[in-house]
Amino acid sequence: AQKVTQAQTEISVVEKEDVTLDCVYETRDTTYYLFWYKQPPSGELVFLIRRNSFDEQNEISGRYSWNFQKSTSSFNFTITASQVVDSAVYFCALLNFGNEKLTFGTGTRLTIIP
Amino acid sequence: GAVVSQHPSRVICKSGTSVKIECRSLDFQATTMFWYRQFPKKSLMLMATSNEGSKATYEQGVEKDKFLINHASLTLSTLTVTSAHPEDSSFYICSAREGTLAKNIQYFGAGTRLSVL
Repeated sequence: AQKVTQAQTEISVVEKEDVTLDCVYETRDTTYYLFWYKQPPSGELVFLIRRNSFDEQNEISGRYSWNFQKSTSSFNFTITASQVVDSAVYFCALLNFGNEKLTFGTGTRLTIIP
Repeated sequence: GAVVSQHPSRVICKSGTSVKIECRSLDFQATTMFWYRQFPKKSLMLMATSNEGSKATYEQGVEKDKFLINHASLTLSTLTVTSAHPEDSSFYICSAREGTLAKNIQYFGAGTRLSVL
């Protein structure tokens, strides 16, 4: 069985601060995919990144960066120089290879204080 | 990027009526679409997986006669909440997967907030 844990329920930081959202996953499969989605107040889930289990390289996209560590089964997400528009609920998700279903974490509600 | 349109964004109905929600992939063909339900401040709960031209696969505990899913084309899936009751009030959100399982990114619609009076 697979499981995704986002221990941080809510985080608040002042604008321009850096913030890291934690994600820890459990799976017995050796091939799997990890995702991050952003859900702003409007409701839609916005795809941010997909990472497969064979690619442990960290990724940076603008102010966003992701740290994938198989040794600790973690896929953490860092926002640098946070902005008010980053306020949203962020979901980490796991997909096992050959499976269609995403396993979501419970989400982290991030509030950026102006 | 891939765009998924969901309509309506909000619906208020009387108890006992049926409500249809549409999910369309606008710029890609979606052989598989998914329907989720999200309670306030909670994560997404998968209700069913819908494949074009075949019957939907429902998750355990989801009433298939209550939540009718139709996936008649590669760009459209519909969810009909039949004889809605106040306990069906929720946020329903669909997603579409582009092409094959290898392209396994799900793109989500903006969701439908259903309020049953």
